[in-house]
Amino acid sequence: DTEVTQTPKHLVMGMTNKKSLKCEQHMGHRAMYWYKQKAKKPPELMFVYSYEKLSINESVPSRFSPECPNSSLLNLHLHALQPEDSALYLCASSQEGPGYNEQFFGPGTRLTVL
Amino acid sequence: AQKVTQAQTEISVVEKEDVTLDCVYETRDTTYYLFWYKQPPSGELVFLIRRNSFDEQNEISGRYSWNFQKSTSSFNFTITASQVVDSAVYFCALSEAENYGQNFVFGPGTRLSVLP
Repeated sequence: DTEVTQTPKHLVMGMTNKKSLKCEQHMGHRAMYWYKQKAKKPPELMFVYSYEKLSINESVPSRFSPECPNSSLLNLHLHALQPEDSALYLCASSQEGPGYNEQFFGPGTRLTVL
Repeated sequence: AQKVTQAQTEISVVEKEDVTLDCVYETRDTTYYLFWYKQPPSGELVFLIRRNSFDEQNEISGRYSWNFQKSTSSFNFTITASQVVDSAVYFCALSEAENYGQNFVFGPGTRLSVLP
């Protein structure tokens, strides 16, 4: 099973809502990532979890809050988002820590903030 | 700081043509890793290849081939006999080992359209 799953596929939320994005992998990978991708742009790294600990936070605003309940699951909690946060949010995983291992990506959650 | 350049923003070819996607990178590290990813219209990024800085051997996988040249800091990707299903955005990416991946950076991408 070489799949990373993400739910939901689409999400529309208001600026006062609280929502969560979910990501799951069953490849035994020990590193998981959140990326943000705007239209016609490359993915931008947001967070990295390595062995269930947050190892990289790329200066992401606090309205995005990551959580790694276990080595297979990764959540991204959203609160008080702005319309400019509308984007495709991609989850990825890799065998070990970031860098030298290839990352496997999920299909993404397309988020629209009204 | 590391940097990845993909000078070709968009390329259009007719099916069965060969096409090369260019990738030029900048890094001060002696140990680094290069990647190519494909992003079809569905949005999911698909891993294609990883190459470390000590392995300059070119690689061929079916219709895909990669040419890594440290002397010119390039890692180009060629699709032979292109097909409509190859239409996608292709990203080159670089990761520096010394920063333990803190600087995993994608290039801006090249949008390839293969016309029937």
